[in-house]
Amino acid sequence: EPEVTQTPSHQVTQMGQEVILRCVPISNHLYFYWYRQILGQKVEFLVSFYNNEISEKSEIFDDQFSVERPDGSNFTLKIRSTKLEDSAMYFCASTTGRGPQYFGPGTRLTVL
Amino acid sequence: SQQGEEDPQALSIQEGENATMNCSYKTSINNLQWYRQNSGRGLVHLILIRSNEREKHSGRLRVTLDTSKKSSSLLITASRAADTASYFCATTMNNNAGNMLTFGGGTRLMVKP
Repeated sequence: EPEVTQTPSHQVTQMGQEVILRCVPISNHLYFYWYRQILGQKVEFLVSFYNNEISEKSEIFDDQFSVERPDGSNFTLKIRSTKLEDSAMYFCASTTGRGPQYFGPGTRLTVL
Repeated sequence: SQQGEEDPQALSIQEGENATMNCSYKTSINNLQWYRQNSGRGLVHLILIRSNEREKHSGRLRVTLDTSKKSSSLLITASRAADTASYFCATTMNNNAGNMLTFGGGTRLMVKP
């Protein structure tokens, strides 16, 4: 069964460094998302992406964040200058449209 | 409460018993989805119920939706130890261009063997 994949599973970085989190959505899906979950807290929406552009973003998704679909399969989240409070589990999700969103296994980002 | 709040926050039952988790939300929705998360792992989609539906079944799962009360419930029948996980409801709202999901805080379910 097709699934969303994410790499790396765990990323450790120093504060101020740039990180790129990678996702491969399910191949026939059209809508892509990034969410994050700080330890012990709710899953929070960051950004949605459709037709090669951002369709919606949350207040969390400030100028330090960007997304890209560099080719037909990858979907990336870049954090330009990481902060301690960016430490969280980052989930990628995809869907065909108004159906279920399927989530990847997540990348645990630790900012030191 | 915020959009998508689960109740109870934690639930402990014996194997074989039924588990019921509730979710409330505040605004009109397009659909409501239930997800499961094992500790430190990804979110697994369980079931989606649309705003014009009242009940859906999938195996041992039964989901109801009451749009007049803005609430949903997830029933797991004949629970197993392997059902131990956190369960989240998430809603998509009408007039939402990106179909973003708004998650509740989750119910931590423990099923004792």
